[in-house]
Amino acid sequence: KAGVTQTPRYLIKTRGQQVTLSCSPISGHRSVSWYQQTPGQGLQFLFEYFSETQRNKGNFPGRFSGRQFSNSRSEMNVSTLELGDSALYLCASSFNRVETQYFGPGTRLLVL
Amino acid sequence: GENVEQHPSTLSVQEGDSAVIKCTYSDSASNYFPWYKQELGKGPQLIIDIRSNVGEKKDQRIAVTLNKTAKHFSLHITETQPEDSAVYFCAAILSSNTGKLIFGQGTTLQVKP
Repeated sequence: KAGVTQTPRYLIKTRGQQVTLSCSPISGHRSVSWYQQTPGQGLQFLFEYFSETQRNKGNFPGRFSGRQFSNSRSEMNVSTLELGDSALYLCASSFNRVETQYFGPGTRLLVL
Repeated sequence: GENVEQHPSTLSVQEGDSAVIKCTYSDSASNYFPWYKQELGKGPQLIIDIRSNVGEKKDQRIAVTLNKTAKHFSLHITETQPEDSAVYFCAAILSSNTGKLIFGQGTTLQVKP
């Protein structure tokens, strides 16, 4: 089985712009969770989607949003980018909400 | 609140020695505890996990132990090899908050040949 894939792998944006990141889960997995990884804050939960519905949300501002499609693929969007949004954004998929989460390689976002 | 503390932040061992990383969680409702290994430029890779109804689990050179009373769990790596060098993260999930992993701060393990 192919693993979790994320596109793009690298992205450079400027302050004020918006960005959309994509995640394709492992085939058959229906739950997708997103995490932000920074050297200062570590790995922090952004949100989780299951059956096209957001089931859980972390402590991030409303500029961070996401969605999930009927094929379980997910996108996250960050609007009005700030310098502090520079991070590695990781997507993880699981068969259902209680099973093991498997991570993708991440999208490294740099905001200038 | 939800919190996972991980120690030590860095660990250096000689090849062949054992390495132990410890984590403590705050919420007694936590019921699932995975460990991930992250190499440079890659996403976290699951290496072992344990559920709250089990006290210990082993997979070749890797083992995890769970003490629910003390609310801590540990990763044990025996016969370490240079390729074990990486950052290791512990995590926990609340039974009432599935899909949300709470991560420890990470341990950078260096195995010296």
